[in-house]
Amino acid sequence: DAGITQSPRHKVTETGTPVTLRCHQTENHRYMYWYRQDPGHGLRLIHYSYGVKDTDKGEVSDGYSVSRSKTEDFLLTLESATSSQTSVYFCAISDSVDRVNEQFFGPGTRLTVL
Amino acid sequence: KQEVTQIPAALSVPEGENLVLNCSFTDSAIYNLQWFRQDPGKGLTSLLLIQSSQREQTSGRLNASLDKSSGRSTLYIAASQPGDSATYLCAVGGGGGADGLTFGKGTHLIIQP
Repeated sequence: DAGITQSPRHKVTETGTPVTLRCHQTENHRYMYWYRQDPGHGLRLIHYSYGVKDTDKGEVSDGYSVSRSKTEDFLLTLESATSSQTSVYFCAISDSVDRVNEQFFGPGTRLTVL
Repeated sequence: KQEVTQIPAALSVPEGENLVLNCSFTDSAIYNLQWFRQDPGKGLTSLLLIQSSQREQTSGRLNASLDKSSGRSTLYIAASQPGDSATYLCAVGGGGGADGLTFGKGTHLIIQP
């Protein structure tokens, strides 16, 4: 399995509080992604990074920010959590070796916003 | 905007049957297509990746095909086993391959012993 860890794995928080989720990889892959998975919507891309300090928005980026100061870490921040951000969050990594860009996923973080 | 549809949404078959899961996408300008497996409460496991220039990929009892011009992919599972029970997700990658994946909503597969 690709070396991807996510922390925390479970979190319950209250509306209006800031939350930061961490994705850590040991594969030295260039690209990193944050997705959310919701019933009825499937997985949707929130933000992605194509290198240190290089990030871009995905389909559902409103209310989220990201940072990548090191190759191995990609942080997702909810500045002021809302109940609509209750979801399962997945981090993924890929690289362009041989131009394949196969994505590998972490175990996920289950976030509940009360 | 790319949209990915998977049919059927759910499927239940007896053990030993060969089966086909379908995936369609609206924009044929894809970079690659990946099939994943997801077990309940777990992350996604990559099963097969097909690059846009390829027609099919095989891994063990799994075979995935791609018809980019018609916007379709199929995942063929041979000699199904109860351990194959899971949700199968199809996802397409656009741009230069680094822009993230667009996912279908999945096919929930149950293999009856």
